Amino acid sequence: AQKITQTQPGMFVQEKEAVTLDCTYDTSDQSYGLFWYKQPSSGEMIFLIYQGSYDEQNATEGRYSLNFQKARKSANLVISASQLGDSAMYFCAMREGRGAGTALIFGKGTTLSVSS
Amino acid sequence: DTEVTQTPKHLVMGMTNKKSLKCEQHMGHRAMYWYKQKAKKPPELMFVYSYEKLSINESVPSRFSPECPNSSLLNLHLHALQPEDSALYLCASSQARGGYTFGSGTRLTVV
Repeated sequence: AQKITQTQPGMFVQEKEAVTLDCTYDTSDQSYGLFWYKQPSSGEMIFLIYQGSYDEQNATEGRYSLNFQKARKSANLVISASQLGDSAMYFCAMREGRGAGTALIFGKGTTLSVSS
Repeated sequence: DTEVTQTPKHLVMGMTNKKSLKCEQHMGHRAMYWYKQKAKKPPELMFVYSYEKLSINESVPSRFSPECPNSSLLNLHLHALQPEDSALYLCASSQARGGYTFGSGTRLTVV
């Protein structure tokens, strides 16, 4: 079974609009972390936002916010006021546990296209 | 220094060549990772080093050989690769309870 599910292969949005990228996860661990990364065509993996399983508040980083619904096991990324430079692949990822050497598991990704 | 540096950025190699990818970090992170990523796919975990010891090998073919000479350096030695091994190879590092820092990757083409 997939640990991280991103059901939207592609999303299209106009500049200045908000967009939500979906992510659901599956784990039996109590301690885990959820990450969102942006990957432009250059290949660099850019960290956007992090939510820990014990964090009660939804994480926010500038135009990015994470809508964390623990009971539903969802961690959707919300980008407000989209910009042309937001066009990229977006990955949701999870770390189970907290030890050193715990690898990230990635979802299949969502390609976001922002038009003017 | 908050970066993971990968070299080279691009590599073209023949199927009989031997080459190495290098990854370096000076953040004091004690875990380092190699991922392989094909176009339009997610990164796939290959190897994990924790405190300079190999802790995870995700059934990677022996033509890929990782090495961790010290806590700051991670190498991936390549030998007798196949064209299907052409991909973006990403290195990352992390510490317990912390985030993950990725390098910008090496784009490998096997001809």
